[in-house]
Amino acid sequence: GQQLNQSPQSMFIQEGEDVSMNCTSSSIFNTWLWYKQDPGEGPVLLIALYKAGELTSNGRLTAQFGITRKDSFLNISASIPSDVGIYFCAGQLSRAGGTSYGKLTFGQGTILTVHP
Amino acid sequence: EAGVAQSPRYKIIEKRQSVAFWCNPISGHATLYWYQQILGQGPKLLIQFQNNGVVDDSQLPKDRFSAERLKGVDSTLKIQPAKLEDSAVYLCASSWGEGGRGAFFGQGTRLTVV
Repeated sequence: GQQLNQSPQSMFIQEGEDVSMNCTSSSIFNTWLWYKQDPGEGPVLLIALYKAGELTSNGRLTAQFGITRKDSFLNISASIPSDVGIYFCAGQLSRAGGTSYGKLTFGQGTILTVHP
Repeated sequence: EAGVAQSPRYKIIEKRQSVAFWCNPISGHATLYWYQQILGQGPKLLIQFQNNGVVDDSQLPKDRFSAERLKGVDSTLKIQPAKLEDSAVYLCASSWGEGGRGAFFGQGTRLTVV
């Protein structure tokens, strides 16, 4: 089945620093998604990307949908302590993508720690 | 707008016992998913419904897991009998239409099998 490789696995940064993480796939997706998960909670959708080459921002977060449709990255600028958590990328196929449409395939996650 | 509701939040059972989880998706969302998340890993799809029909259950261990969404709204996931390796967080999510626009997750049910 499809596999998503997310890197880095973990990051330790100082408050105020910028963060970058990425996700690559062995096959294409129609939609790329970035989620954040806090301990004991479900994943929360941060950014959704629907078009190859698309660059989308949500406050201090910026994400891009790779032109090959097989990768995406997420940047966080000027990190703050509440950015701590696990960040997951996920790829999704639309109906045009075949019988696996709608299914979200997740990466392994990036654990972010921010030191004040 | 209310989010995805799940219950219970936590459950501890002994191996070979049975357990059931309940999910109420966001109103109007046709697609409902059940995901299993083992500690330290990303969520893995167990089953996907569109309305009350199954779209994908290829990763559901059907000898012990079952799920239903009878009226196309809320859903239950059952494990019978449970094994130690079933210890995980069970996440329910929902999305509009046929999917492809992301999904919204509930808080999850943390299951511990002892």
